[in-house]
Amino acid sequence: GAVVSQHPSRVICKSGTSVKIECRSLDFQATTMFWYRQFPKQSLMLMATSNEGSKATYEQGVEKDKFLINHASLTLSTLTVTSAHPEDSSFYICSAAGGHEQYFGPGTRLTVT
Amino acid sequence: AQKITQTQPGMFVQEKEAVTLDCTYDTSDPSYGLFWYKQPSSGEMIFLIYQGSYDQQNATEGRYSLNFQKARKSANLVISASQLGDSAMYFCAMREGGYQKVTFGTGTKLQVIP
Repeated sequence: GAVVSQHPSRVICKSGTSVKIECRSLDFQATTMFWYRQFPKQSLMLMATSNEGSKATYEQGVEKDKFLINHASLTLSTLTVTSAHPEDSSFYICSAAGGHEQYFGPGTRLTVT
Repeated sequence: AQKITQTQPGMFVQEKEAVTLDCTYDTSDPSYGLFWYKQPSSGEMIFLIYQGSYDQQNATEGRYSLNFQKARKSANLVISASQLGDSAMYFCAMREGGYQKVTFGTGTKLQVIP
């Protein structure tokens, strides 16, 4: 299957700082990528749909000014958590759509202290 | 209303036995796709199997098979000959119509006992 990478895999940051997470499709072009958040022992919750060359579509309840998404190329989407707070600590996973499948990245574990 | 329902928060199965993980879904769209993913403790989401709403036969992938009962709106995952490495969280998911976004169930934690 297709490969999607995420960087970094783990990040610890101080409250009030911003963190950028990269999601890359390594062997195919993805016009659409998705960002999910997963709290411990819970399911994946879709945060936003990232569309190459246009604005992201955010799910209800997700603050677009706090979670900035940029999809500047067909292989890269970035999620920036601005002014992070401890409650933003979570596992963030991206996926790229390819045919009827979605290919997931390995995830980024964010801890805000 | 929940679009994907997984009623088993946790399951145990003896090694080498078969196990069925339940999933029911809710949609009014005639065109949809159903997925099962495995998430080990490392966190990565591993695609297991896919069933399209118009597929006539149940999907199979190695030891995984999907028991698709369209009228009952169920898409149970059957794992045959369980292995210790099958211990993980399992998520059922659905994509509706032409939309690419996928909705996930709450997951089932499977533990394989030696």
